[in-house]
Amino acid sequence: NAGVTQTPKFRVLKTGQSMTLLCAQDMNHEYMYWYRQDPGMGLRLIHYSVGEGTTAKGEVPDGYNVSRLKKQNFLLGLESAAPSQTSVYFCASSWELAGGNEQFFGPGTRLTVL
Amino acid sequence: AQSVTQPDIHITVSEGASLELRCNYSYGATPYLFWYVQSPGQGLQLLLKYFSGDTLVQGIKGFEAEFKRSQSSFNLRKPSVHWSDAAEYFCAVSLRGGYNKLIFGAGTRLAVHP
Repeated sequence: NAGVTQTPKFRVLKTGQSMTLLCAQDMNHEYMYWYRQDPGMGLRLIHYSVGEGTTAKGEVPDGYNVSRLKKQNFLLGLESAAPSQTSVYFCASSWELAGGNEQFFGPGTRLTVL
Repeated sequence: AQSVTQPDIHITVSEGASLELRCNYSYGATPYLFWYVQSPGQGLQLLLKYFSGDTLVQGIKGFEAEFKRSQSSFNLRKPSVHWSDAAEYFCAVSLRGGYNKLIFGAGTRLAVHP
């Protein structure tokens, strides 16, 4: 099993450009999450999904949109990239939504917005 | 305010020395507690977790952590560090009764000298 995979691994954008980050998991998990990681701040939740066709806002959702058209995929979109969105983005998935369940993380996407 | 604090941003130890990484949380009730490790260029991997019961928790790679309710702490320890332990370590919590939102500390970067 590949676990959680993310595409692409690296990307450089200019301010105002758009892009989509793809997360895929092969563990049949219902729940998926997008985080961003910034130096000195740990990981912060952007959006999450409790199942196919559903999404919800996390801690820092502004400037991002998500979609979960298929159970195994969770897409993160930036419609108009800003330098403040330069970060490392991690996708995760879990069996359960209840607190305490292990989340499995992908390897990350490093995004630079110039 | 609710928070997870890792007081040490960087720690350097010699190979073979013991290690303790500190984590304190500030929540009304005891949350679920986790330690994750992030090797360079990789995603996060779960080292161990505490839900209830025995306050000394054993994890993978020879790590253990001790929950101390009176100190609101969940410190990570390893008796003898290996060069391959060089990584960033994150303490995280999720709230009981809530959804599986992980709240991360800022991380501690561990360097290991030969």
